Amino acid sequence: DGGITQSPKYLFRKEGQNVTLSCEQNLNHDAMYWYRQDPGQGLRLIYYSQIVNDFQKGDIAEGYSVSREKKESFPLTVTSAQKNPTAFYLCASKRQGASERGGEQFFGPGTRLTVL
Amino acid sequence: KNQVEQSPQSLIILEGKNCTLQCNYTVSPFSNLRWYKQDTGRGPVSLTIMTFSENTKSNGRYTATLDADTKQSSLHITASQLSDSASYICVVILDNYGQNFVFGPGTRLSVLP
Repeated sequence: DGGITQSPKYLFRKEGQNVTLSCEQNLNHDAMYWYRQDPGQGLRLIYYSQIVNDFQKGDIAEGYSVSREKKESFPLTVTSAQKNPTAFYLCASKRQGASERGGEQFFGPGTRLTVL
Repeated sequence: KNQVEQSPQSLIILEGKNCTLQCNYTVSPFSNLRWYKQDTGRGPVSLTIMTFSENTKSNGRYTATLDADTKQSSLHITASQLSDSASYICVVILDNYGQNFVFGPGTRLSVLP
């Protein structure tokens, strides 16, 4: 059963701690993305990766870090430098290539992070 | 600045009624436009995709339209159901590879019994 998974679904963190959110996909997609979603707001791009061992900053990368050591995995670390980390985090993956379906991003179920 | 705007911000309708959600964009160039449905606490799921040459695309009770001249798209939901309660997000893709894209803020739809 192909798809994209995120864990955990809910995560609580004390202020000042780093935390890592997991994102795994078995769709054989090259590109992966991390978004942040705040209540009543649209998706904002944190980081993205077009290929293994390469990633780029999105619109709101400050306070976050990522790695892409494997094609299937794109973990996101929320560091203590992120001033307002409480949010819903979404991971997505996309097949590369110039086609009608080349633009479709497949999203995971999300992780809700709450800083106590 | 490339922008995608959606209206209304939120909408409440009764079960069985129809509704139309709007998406206006100023981005350029334009490759295609997608509508996503996002249930509360879940990830978005693609509903339709439209290229610049398409005017209408249907997916069950969902019908998307596109006017590339006025840079407007709409999503029409027919005979709404309680399960249609969700956020609907318009995304404009700027290139054929889908590497450049702009998300709209979404419209929150609530369908009441």
